[in-house]
Amino acid sequence: ETGVTQSPTHLIKTRGQQVTLRCSSQSGHNTVSWYQQALGQGPQFIFQYYREEENGRGNFPPRFSGLQFPNYSSELNVNALELDDSALYLCASSLTLAGGSTDTQYFGPGTRLTVL
Amino acid sequence: RKEVEQDPGPFNVPEGATVAFNCTYSNSASQSFFWYRQDCRKEPKLLMSVYSSGNEDGRFTAQLNRASQYISLLIRDSKLSDSATYLCVVNKGGTYKYIFGTGTRLKVLA
Repeated sequence: ETGVTQSPTHLIKTRGQQVTLRCSSQSGHNTVSWYQQALGQGPQFIFQYYREEENGRGNFPPRFSGLQFPNYSSELNVNALELDDSALYLCASSLTLAGGSTDTQYFGPGTRLTVL
Repeated sequence: RKEVEQDPGPFNVPEGATVAFNCTYSNSASQSFFWYRQDCRKEPKLLMSVYSSGNEDGRFTAQLNRASQYISLLIRDSKLSDSATYLCVVNKGGTYKYIFGTGTRLKVLA
């Protein structure tokens, strides 16, 4: 196992609601990346957090936001949920080195979000 | 054109067969390359990194061709347990963003 944990494992929400997903990184890792994986697709990069700041963002609207805490754990928040937000949300833990390069990413088990 | 392209399959092969997957990427500045394996409704798990010199891990061999911008994965002596989706991953410029292909489904048949 990677040591990356996510909660909850499953979640059902209705359109317009808000959701918070949580991720604990692997011991020794300081960086968390979030991905959305729709059925039959590869994961799509949402954003990454390093040193409690957003360190890059994919093509997702502002209603997708996040946080990183001093212990390197992270949250993904999605406001005004839409039906198309139904997906598996994955977080990945990695180590960013002093020079800024990021090592291999290891994934948590994901949170499966269903929006009705 | 997608940044990372894979044949979605499925590839249905008998046990013991050799199977190869290819993946092409569009950004010549890409620096890191990986194959991840994903079982149904599970998270992606790192199978192997891909280096220019090629690398092998047991029955799995990965190759990178920078000139043609493709990555390959060869699986020899396929096992039933190899049945999964194989995701090609490219990291642009050694920074934060992993770009995934859609994955190639492999089914190994008894």
